Amino acid sequence: TQLLEQSPQFLSIQEGENLTVYCNSSSVFSSLQWYRQEPGEGPVLLVTVVTGGEVKKLKRLTFQFGDARKDSSLHITAAQPGDTGLYLCAGRQGAQKLVFGQGTRLTINP
Amino acid sequence: ETGVTQSPTHLIKTRGQQVTLRCSSQSGHNTVSWYQQALGQGPQFIFQYYREEENGRGNFPPRFSGLQFPNYSSELNVNALELDDSALYLCASSPDPSGQPQHFGDGTRLSIL
Repeated sequence: TQLLEQSPQFLSIQEGENLTVYCNSSSVFSSLQWYRQEPGEGPVLLVTVVTGGEVKKLKRLTFQFGDARKDSSLHITAAQPGDTGLYLCAGRQGAQKLVFGQGTRLTINP
Repeated sequence: ETGVTQSPTHLIKTRGQQVTLRCSSQSGHNTVSWYQQALGQGPQFIFQYYREEENGRGNFPPRFSGLQFPNYSSELNVNALELDDSALYLCASSPDPSGQPQHFGDGTRLSIL
């Protein structure tokens, strides 16, 4: 059983469209992170959210942490081909352990 | 460029063999975490080392072990390799055990035949 469930697992859309990726859990996390991973590379941190209800923006990307700190969403506006990649959410449990979702593979078609 | 390097980039082993994977952390980062990422999955936490001692472990058997050295390098050792050990192994360094922020290397792709 996956502790963090991401949906959808695969998403293919046209350039210019908007999209939302979800990360859900029944567990509470002290913080939640979003990463992007490209083929042959390690995950790269995009954002960390800590406070329930927190919203952070990174250019065309908007991240939200649920009020109960159990879920999060990533919204991309006007998607571009450069946004293509594997998006991973990860929740922190305790001081050391980072629990990852299974990822959302996003493809933006020109 | 995260400043975290892993070697080798690819490795092929057979069942029952032993393997050592290496990671060079970012200078000044005294904490390293190792993850296993199976194909099509997210990374799974193996363990964390802080100041050369294991500081937390995920659900991996004892045949997965590690070492951390004072020069910011570390190793992941896996004994008695099994087919299911085929995966991308990632190390991530951070300045302290809280893991913030965590910088990942590009991983070692291990294939077990």
